[in-house]
Amino acid sequence: GAGVSQSPSNKVTEKGKDVELRCDPISGHTALYWYRQSLGQGLEFLIYFQGNSAPDKSGLPSDRFSAERTGGSVSTLTIQRTQQEDSAVYLCASTKGGQGYNSPLHFGNGTRLTVT
Amino acid sequence: AQSVTQLGSHVSVSEGALVLLRCNYSSSVPPYLFWYVQYPNQGLQLLLKYTSAATLVKGINGFEAEFKKSETSFHLTKPSAHMSDAAEYFCAVSEVNTGFQKLVFGTGTRLLVSP
Repeated sequence: GAGVSQSPSNKVTEKGKDVELRCDPISGHTALYWYRQSLGQGLEFLIYFQGNSAPDKSGLPSDRFSAERTGGSVSTLTIQRTQQEDSAVYLCASTKGGQGYNSPLHFGNGTRLTVT
Repeated sequence: AQSVTQLGSHVSVSEGALVLLRCNYSSSVPPYLFWYVQYPNQGLQLLLKYTSAATLVKGINGFEAEFKKSETSFHLTKPSAHMSDAAEYFCAVSEVNTGFQKLVFGTGTRLLVSP
């Protein structure tokens, strides 16, 4: 079946612009995560959604970052007023949820964001 | 706070040789531990995980890891390297009681396999 799909695969934007990154999780997966992979910070947790519950936003680095998940499926990560330090690969992952660690994270191939 | 240390940003082995990738963790409570692999231009794929059952964990592609509480280690091994094992490997830790997979990753080790 289809895996986690992320779009665009690459995004180049100018400093100060807003960007939206999209994630389509695996069908039936109720839990969705965003992670960021950057040269300076490695892999970092950003945000977690589970069903219709309030998301865990504890990993978002600043209030310029926000994310939503519509209808319990597709998620959009928005970065406002982008800065050069936002350049990274943004990874989305989904899992069945409600099974603790018995259900592995399935990662997409990521969106490579470059802020010039 | 939890942390993970991976010794060696690059490890080089010959095809057929033993693979040993080191991971040490720091956690205030018994952790869950993971190894993920990332092939070029792809997302991460779970190799194996330790969730407080058997201390020797077997994963995919012939990899295994042993949880050693006394050494706070979770090293990844494979008896015989294959060219297809060339990738970046990440060790990760998560607290048991978070209720979701909020992982803290190490900085990664790139495995190079030569013929």
